[in-house]
Amino acid sequence: AQTVTQSQPEMSVQEAETVTLSCTYDTSESDYYLFWYKQPPSRQMILVIRQEAYKQQNATENRFSVNFQKAAKSFSLKISDSQLGDAAMYFCAYWDTDKLIFGTGTRLQVFP
Amino acid sequence: GAGVSQSPRYKVAKRGQDVALRCDPISGHVSLFWYQQALGQGPEFLTYFQNEAQLDKSGLPSDRFFAERPEGSVSTLKIQRTQQEDSAVYLCASSLGGADGYTFGSGTRLTVV
Repeated sequence: AQTVTQSQPEMSVQEAETVTLSCTYDTSESDYYLFWYKQPPSRQMILVIRQEAYKQQNATENRFSVNFQKAAKSFSLKISDSQLGDAAMYFCAYWDTDKLIFGTGTRLQVFP
Repeated sequence: GAGVSQSPRYKVAKRGQDVALRCDPISGHVSLFWYQQALGQGPEFLTYFQNEAQLDKSGLPSDRFFAERPEGSVSTLKIQRTQQEDSAVYLCASSLGGADGYTFGSGTRLTVV
């Protein structure tokens, strides 16, 4: 069965600095989708970035980018120029046929 | 509607009570998903609908959990004889199909006392 592991329960960063959140996963599939979601206290899961496994190029969305290492089954999220509004829980997720499988999350704190 | 709407936002139930949680998906989204998120954990899949058909209910933890989507739009998640371990946030998501346009609601926080 597919699994997703986030080994950093909490991370902190200063405003305007860069932070990287780690995620590893396990699958026997060759084509799949990976996601990073942000969950603020409002509870709504907000899509940050999406990566398709067959694409070699790492996905980028403004200040958010990923380092996708398919052979190592690693999918880390880099947040550049961190802002106070980036503070939230971040979840890595794997799309498995008809559902998302989530990691346990990383709480990101941003200090002014 | 513009987003996925869930109600109520908060629900407190006494142990043994039945509860019903509602999800109103984005108009035109054929796929609808329910997840359970325990405190400090990531969401865990409960069940999936394509239109009115429940195609996967492998994540429902017991026969006390029941979901329906009779007209292929609004869905209700029902929990019978609630127990303390049912306390969690219940998230609903809808999509155009598969992972396309996947959008979550803000969830219902259920507390069983």
